[in-house]
Order: sequence, then structure tokens, then C-alpha cells
Amino acid sequence: AQSVTQPDIHITVSEGASLELRCNYSYGATPYLFWYVQSPGQGLQLLLKYFSGDTLVQGIKGFEAEFKRSQSSFNLRKPSVHWSDAAEYFCAVAPLSGSARQLTFGSGTQLTVLP
Amino acid sequence: DAGVIQSPRHEVTEMGQEVTLRCKPISGHNSLFWYRQTMMRGLELLIYFNNNVPIDDSGMPEDRFSAKMPNASFSTLKIQPSEPRDSAVYFCASSNSERPEAFFGQGTRLTVV
Repeated sequence: AQSVTQPDIHITVSEGASLELRCNYSYGATPYLFWYVQSPGQGLQLLLKYFSGDTLVQGIKGFEAEFKRSQSSFNLRKPSVHWSDAAEYFCAVAPLSGSARQLTFGSGTQLTVLP
Repeated sequence: DAGVIQSPRHEVTEMGQEVTLRCKPISGHNSLFWYRQTMMRGLELLIYFNNNVPIDDSGMPEDRFSAKMPNASFSTLKIQPSEPRDSAVYFCASSNSERPEAFFGQGTRLTVV
């Protein structure tokens, strides 16, 4: 069965510092990969996605993620964090085939940004 | 596009009462998902529909939970009778089955007292 692991439950960084959030997946084949962000009291917003091709993908709000097949990882990065980035971040995978897609989410990483 | 619309945003009800949560998916999307989010269990998929047909309801916790999708633009999640342990945030999401990313609504925060 597919699974997604986000090993860091909570990360604290200072504003302006760089950020990397880790995500590892277990899947029969390379799945579709996603990062979502959830601000307090809000729904999940899609940050970026990887389907195929270039392993470095750019997303909204200055985020990027790198797919590494050999490590089954899809880590999220941002070179300089802003206070508004404080939120919970979810990595997710979806199957490549099937008539409907079903997302499997990681348990999330809560990001705190210090002034 | 207005995105996925859920109502109500907040619901407080007494134990034993019936609760109905509503969702309007993004126009043109043919897959719809209901999720539940709690601190203890995180984000759980309850049920998903494709072309208005329930495909997988294995995540529905009990017979007290039921979901319907009478047409492509409307779905409901009903809990009858409600219990305090049902308190959670319930999300609806939709997608186009030709593309795997899902788009989420703002959620309904349910409190059962």
C-alpha cells in the first residue's frame, strides 16, 4: 500500500532563513506528487505538483520541490521564508492510473516562523 | 471560478441531532472527495465519488455517516445521529479525473456537544 512520510512534525525557522521540508513516499511506481499548504482556519491549497520531466518544480509563493527517484523523496524548499508562510504543509501522492484519483496525504509539518 | 464551496462553515449541534454538510464542487470536475481532519488522526478520506457514483466508501467510520451526490454540482455528507467524537473539520474536494490534483473547500468545522 502507498504511504507518505513527513518525518518532521514541527519546524521553526527565522524569517528570512531558508526552509526545507522533507517528504518520503512508498509506492509501487513513481506516483504523482504534490505539496499542499493549510493556513489556520483554511482549506488545503495546492503549492506545486510533479507529474514527469524536470525533477525540480516551481510552485506558488516562491516554493520549489525536487523529486529524487533514488531516495523516493519530494522535499519542499524555499530560499527565504516570510512570516506569512507559517502554516501546515502536507505532502501527497496519487496513482498514475485509474478513472478517479485518490490522494494519500502525509501527516503534515507545522511551520512556525520567528520574527 | 468560485472554487469548491462548502456550507455551513461552522456547525454546532447537540449529540443525537442530524447534521448535514453540503458541497458544491468546481464546475466540470467529475471526482468529489469528503475528508475529515482531526488533531489525533490527521486528514482521513471518508468517501469519493466519480461521475456522481460512490467509488470507495471504506473510510466512512460508521453507518451513522452517509453521503450522496445527486448531481454533478452537489453533494451532502450526513451524520445521524451525531456524537461528540464526530467533532472535526470536514473538507470537500473535487478534481477532474483526467488530472490528479484535488482542490479543497474551506471546510466545515463541526462541534457536537
